[in-house]
Amino acid sequence: DIQMTQSPSSLSASVGDRVTITCQASQDIRRYLNWYHQQPGKAPKFLIYDASNLETGVPARFSGSGSGTNFTFTINSLQPEDIGTYYCQQYDELPSFGPGTRLEIK
Amino acid sequence: QVQLVQSGAEVKKPGASVKVSCKASGYTFSNHGIHWVRQAPGQRLEWMGWINPATGDTKYPRKFQGRVTISRDTVARTVFLELHSLRSEDSSVYYCARDPGIAVAGTLDYWGQGTLLTVSS
Repeated sequence: DIQMTQSPSSLSASVGDRVTITCQASQDIRRYLNWYHQQPGKAPKFLIYDASNLETGVPARFSGSGSGTNFTFTINSLQPEDIGTYYCQQYDELPSFGPGTRLEIK
Repeated sequence: QVQLVQSGAEVKKPGASVKVSCKASGYTFSNHGIHWVRQAPGQRLEWMGWINPATGDTKYPRKFQGRVTISRDTVARTVFLELHSLRSEDSSVYYCARDPGIAVAGTLDYWGQGTLLTVSS
């Protein structure tokens, strides 16, 4: 089974800041990596597929990069509605998720 | 618009079974796979399995094989998750989610609202 890790586990940033989250896979997953955002008490929302492609309707301040085992997710100009937890998820094999990164506003 | 509407919260005793439903609307039901994912309090999302609504083919991770059954009713456009031999560690929110494609690719683009299961004696 492919194990996913994320760092940091939590972070606090100010509105307008640039935020970066990293995700690592236990083996090569090529670019089969998605990112989701979960606001407190809600279902996850799909943001990015294939490591770097923005889902339709997702604001352009979100971006992703990487391939193989190392991936990065970035929010340019953090907004108040971006609080919550961000999960990476691989689908090179049966799906598995990272532990999440909790983001709060300073 | 695409919508997945799940059944309501459940309370079950250890050893019992539970069946959760997920009704789809707003797209061609047979053209998209459905996944089930659960989330225990404060924990990561955990993938539980997938069904092809057109054929009924299913796929489960090793951890849930034999304890989880995913099925569908194509007329009702509804997918079901059944979990057997419940234990307290199964207390979680259960989500259904649609795949953009029909294969068990593993992208989850639309999600249901979640169903809370509490397992307690």
